[in-house]
Amino acid sequence: NAGVMQNPRHLVRRRGQEARLRCSPMKGHSHVYWYRQLPEEGLKFMVYLQKENIIDESGMPKERFSAEFPKEGPSILRIQQVVRGDSAAYFCASSSYSPSGLSYNEQFFGPGTRLTVL
Amino acid sequence: KNQVEQSPQSLIILEGKNCTLQCNYTVSPFSNLRWYKQDTGRGPVSLTIMTFSENTKSNGRYTATLDADTKQSSLHITASQLSDSASYICVVTYNAGKSTFGDGTTLTVKP
Repeated sequence: NAGVMQNPRHLVRRRGQEARLRCSPMKGHSHVYWYRQLPEEGLKFMVYLQKENIIDESGMPKERFSAEFPKEGPSILRIQQVVRGDSAAYFCASSSYSPSGLSYNEQFFGPGTRLTVL
Repeated sequence: KNQVEQSPQSLIILEGKNCTLQCNYTVSPFSNLRWYKQDTGRGPVSLTIMTFSENTKSNGRYTATLDADTKQSSLHITASQLSDSASYICVVTYNAGKSTFGDGTTLTVKP
């Protein structure tokens, strides 16, 4: 059972370009979370998605950032018109949810995508 | 405001020694608390997870405790090894899926 997969592992973009980060959750997981980690800082929540639904995007910047988790395929975090301050490691995590609605909600993390904006 | 605070921010110990990391939270309503280990350049890996009814849980040389009344948790590492050098992150989940992360404690184990 493969873990959470993220690609690319490293991404270099020039200012003003678009960055697309992909996350494939663990098999059987229908919940995806995106986090950003600036150098020497802790993980910061960005967005929580289920298939075709954004559940919580309270940590997402209002402009230039968007996320989706389509019915088929990986979750995508999209950053438009990147700026140097977007340089960070972006981690994706996935979790399952029990039918009763109660869950440990344990999140399994991917290896991250390191975005460098030149 | 839901917050998770960890202490110390960083810690240096000698190989073979024990250490304890602290996590205080104000998150409500509480669902569960997790400790993660994050090696440099990698994603976090879960060490323990506890609900409010559990006050201790072990995973090898790692033992986590939880006091839901005082809203405190600790992670105790026994007989530390060089490979324990990492960032340890406390995460509290509330409201069915929302989580608040602490900033982590950076542990360095020296030979």
